[in-house]
This record gives sequence, C-alpha cells and structure tokens, in this order.
Amino acid sequence: QKEVEQDPGPLSVPEGAIVSLNCTYSNSAFQYFMWYRQYSRKGPELLMYTYSSGNKEDGRFTAQVDKSSKYISLFIRDSQPSDSATYLCAMSYYSGNTGKLIFGQGTTLQVKP
Amino acid sequence: NAGVTQTPKFQVLKTGQSMTLQCAQDMNHEYMSWYRQDPGMGLRLIHYSVGAGITDQGEVPNGYNVSRSTTEDFPLRLLSAAPSQTSVYFCASSQDRGQLNSPLHFGNGTRLTVT
Repeated sequence: QKEVEQDPGPLSVPEGAIVSLNCTYSNSAFQYFMWYRQYSRKGPELLMYTYSSGNKEDGRFTAQVDKSSKYISLFIRDSQPSDSATYLCAMSYYSGNTGKLIFGQGTTLQVKP
Repeated sequence: NAGVTQTPKFQVLKTGQSMTLQCAQDMNHEYMSWYRQDPGMGLRLIHYSVGAGITDQGEVPNGYNVSRSTTEDFPLRLLSAAPSQTSVYFCASSQDRGQLNSPLHFGNGTRLTVT
C-alpha cells in the first residue's frame, strides 16, 4: 500500500464549478500537508501549505486537513480554465536528521469554458 | 533571479550511453534534490543533498550518481542508460534543509527518452 493515495482522474468540470481534490494517507507521522500545481510541461509550484487539522483559505482555494481520518482535500471555488493543471498533494515528516516528503500521484483537472 | 534552471530540456539516448543532467539554482538554497516523474507513479526522489559535499540516496537511486561541489549546482549522472530510465526528471531546491518549513522550488524538467 502506498503511503499517499490520490485519484489520478482526469477530472473535467465546467467553468464556475466547485472542484474537490482529495488524498488519503496511511502514516500518522505526517506533520505538514501541501498542494502543488503543475501546468503542462512545467515543474510543480507550491499552491497551499498547512500544518494543523482544519481549513486554510487563500482566495478561491481552500485546503482541508482531517488528521483523525488521514484525509486531505483541496477545494477550488468558481473554477477557471486557467486552473486546468495537475494537482499534487504532498506530505512530510522527519526521518533521522532530515525531512521526508512524499507526493501523491497527481490529479489532472480540466476546466472547460 | 532565474530560480532553478535545468538543461537540457529534451534528450534522447541509446541504451548504454551515459549523460549528465544539469541543475543550477541562484537562491542560495542548501537543500537540492532530483525527482523522476512517471505516469501513475507521481514524483519519486532519486538523490538529494543538504549542502555542498553532502549527498544521500532517495527512493530510486539505482543507475544514477550525484555530486555537490558547490551550493549552486547539483548534476545528475546516468551511468549506463536503460529504457526504464525514460522519464521526466525534475530538480528542486529548498531553503529548509529539512524540507518542512519552506516550499520546494522546481525546475521545468528534462524529458529523457532511452531507446
């Protein structure tokens, strides 16, 4: 079983829809939770970062963490065609004297005008 | 401020050939790493470095070598290319050696095909 599971999609929605992207994890040691966005033929870029359980909002994006269920989500409100990208969840914890970062497989999202 | 620069953007190799993927960052980051990205597998860590002169293996290190002689550069060497190494390779750097408190900054990747 992978430490982090993410539905690869693809996910196709009409412009203006609310999008929900999800990841589950098995290791309760994960402390930090991130969402990266990756446009086609580009490197990933950090979109959201959170440490604790609960919600964190940034504009149209909301990151949600439920440590008791080992489940994280990214919500996109009023989705735009420019949101079309692959979204990767990522989680990290300490291992020895350095951190370890695990990525999900990524979910490809297409927002149609 | 260019961030993380990877060269080349594309490369085709024959089985058995060797090559070096270049990575340079101008943000004075201590932490640098190499990932490969394959369909359905996500990003997998190949090697990483927490500072000049220090390197360590990641999840999938076999067939790859790295060195870190300066803070800025972190080249990845393929010793004898195999078709299984066909992938997109990303270099990333971070201000935080432990990766926990600052984001990874990625380059735009090198797309490698081994025939």
